[in-house]
Amino acid sequence: KAGVTQTPRYLIKTRGQQVTLSCSPISGHRSVSWYQQTPGQGLQFLFEYFSETQRNKGNFPGRFSGRQFSNSRSEMNVSTLELGDSALYLCASTEGAGGYTFGSGTRLTVV
Amino acid sequence: AQSVAQPEDQVNVAEGNPLTVKCTYSVSGNPYLFWYVQYPNRGLQFLLKYITGDNLVKGSYGFEAEFNKSQTSFHLKKPSALVSDSALYFCAVRDNTGTASKLTFGTGTRLQVTL
Repeated sequence: KAGVTQTPRYLIKTRGQQVTLSCSPISGHRSVSWYQQTPGQGLQFLFEYFSETQRNKGNFPGRFSGRQFSNSRSEMNVSTLELGDSALYLCASTEGAGGYTFGSGTRLTVV
Repeated sequence: AQSVAQPEDQVNVAEGNPLTVKCTYSVSGNPYLFWYVQYPNRGLQFLLKYITGDNLVKGSYGFEAEFNKSQTSFHLKKPSALVSDSALYFCAVRDNTGTASKLTFGTGTRLQVTL
């Protein structure tokens, strides 16, 4: 079955702009979570959505938000971009006690 | 709060030799433990997981991991390393409290396999 699909793969944005990233989970998976990966902070949890509801949230400012649609696809949005938001953003889907399957990520560069 | 420690930033091993990448964890309750590998400019690839059962878990690409509850460790091993195993390896633990689900990752260990 198809894996986790993240679009776009690469993005370059200017400080102050906003950005929306998309994630399509594995078919049948209802849980989608997002992670930020940077050289300095490593892999950090952003939030998790399950059946269109945010179930868990990491320690990120309110500029980071997300949502999940009825087909389990998820989007995350970052408003008022800062240079420090440059990172690889990873999406993962899971179902039950199974493992997490990650997408290839979106590389965001803020200039 | 749960946490994961990977004490080595880098592990160097010659091809054909056994390799070990160390991981220790701290959780309340029973741990769900994972190992992932990351190649440059790619996402995380699942290697193996421990949820319950045998302490020795076999995974993808010949990797295995040994769960040790008394030492709170979950070291990744491979009997014979390949140059193609060179990558960044992450250990992670899943939060099992309530219904929420998130992974807490270690800082990663870079494995360098040389000829």
